[in-house]
Amino acid sequence: DQQVKQNSPSLSVQEGRISILNCDYTNSMFDYFLWYKKYPAEGPTFLISISSIKDKNEDGRFTVFLNKSAKHLSLHIVPSQPGDSAVYFCAAILTGTASKLTFGTGTRLQVTL
Amino acid sequence: NAGVTQTPKFRVLKTGQSMTLLCAQDMNHEYMYWYRQDPGMGLRLIHYSVGEGTTAKGEVPDGYNVSRLKKQNFLLGLESAAPSQTSVYFCASSYSPGGTQYFGPGTRLTVL
Repeated sequence: DQQVKQNSPSLSVQEGRISILNCDYTNSMFDYFLWYKKYPAEGPTFLISISSIKDKNEDGRFTVFLNKSAKHLSLHIVPSQPGDSAVYFCAAILTGTASKLTFGTGTRLQVTL
Repeated sequence: NAGVTQTPKFRVLKTGQSMTLLCAQDMNHEYMYWYRQDPGMGLRLIHYSVGEGTTAKGEVPDGYNVSRLKKQNFLLGLESAAPSQTSVYFCASSYSPGGTQYFGPGTRLTVL
């Protein structure tokens, strides 16, 4: 049972345009959500997060939106740059003792010139 | 400050062989995790530890064992490797259970 889903395995966007990566979850108890970015042959690195008490969190070019009623979150990258080309993983957690991240399957973003 | 390191980076095993993957972190984190990444599957948690001397099962623990004898190290063992364990293995650590996890560079394991 995949509790965190990223239904788009890949996305191609032109440089300078907006990239929108989507993520859906099924467990309404999740209260914290994260996005990780992964380059080939490297480990994932933390990008941005959002608590369930918020609906938006912004960090530079990256904004995460959370729609709790729809159990949906999205990552917006504006403007997209070639260096943003990577695999993006959405993750969710129920915070508390020994909480564990549940990851989505990832979306490969390709930013073209 | 090296963060999270993993040894080795690559390994090829024959079915039935054993090996140990080493993860080390220098951030004094209490929590450590072992994941495997397979195509189309995302990252799946194998085992984790909430402190020195403790370990617990994750989502896909079968065929693996772990030990956390020192706070900075988390070992993942395969006693009898199987082709289904061909994967990329990532170690991560965090300061708190809901905190940001910092990942190592990964170990690519192939079992023939």
